[in-house]
Amino acid sequence: ETGVTQSPTHLIKTRGQQVTLRCSSQSGHNTVSWYQQALGQGPQFIFQYYREEENGRGNFPPRFSGLQFPNYSSELNVNALELDDSALYLCASTPGQGLDYGYTFGSGTRLTVV
Amino acid sequence: DAKTTQPPSMDCAEGRAANLPCNHSTISGNEYVYWYRQIHSQGPQYIIHGLKNNETNEMASLIITEDRKSSTLILPHATLRDTAVYYCIASSGGATNKLIFGTGTLLAVQP
Repeated sequence: ETGVTQSPTHLIKTRGQQVTLRCSSQSGHNTVSWYQQALGQGPQFIFQYYREEENGRGNFPPRFSGLQFPNYSSELNVNALELDDSALYLCASTPGQGLDYGYTFGSGTRLTVV
Repeated sequence: DAKTTQPPSMDCAEGRAANLPCNHSTISGNEYVYWYRQIHSQGPQYIIHGLKNNETNEMASLIITEDRKSSTLILPHATLRDTAVYYCIASSGGATNKLIFGTGTLLAVQP
């Protein structure tokens, strides 16, 4: 098992720009979720993809969007970056739709918006 | 999903058992209790989960009270590497499977 890998590890963007974060899910995992973690807070659910379809979304505006590819890897796109988007973005994968399997998280992408 | 309440921080001596409490007084019958931990600069790590029976795995034990309003995560022999933020989450899962994280308990294992 290679686990969940995310790229890049760190990123600095300017307010108003767009960013794409990438995630390779653990082998055999077909469900991917994205979380945003602000400093000192717990992770907040952004959305989830199952077999290339979004099947759940948290309280995030439409400028946060995503994709899942046939190999189950995923992207998180954020348009019109705001200063408050500065956070650790975590990707997590699981082999099914239930929570019984436990999520495997990546180490995250640290995004700084200036 | 039910709200959970955890102490913000706890200390534990290395080699001793760490007992981390969690209150979930509004938990419903179909909601499981999940525990994750997050070591500094890493993503959260799944530890254990349960519905109403006590559970044990290679990492920890989970004790859920009979009324299911609270639970305790037990690390039997804490090491310095167990220093982390521990999150207790109550969730029914469902199709969206989202985990609602609070601010967790910072467990500091002391040498």
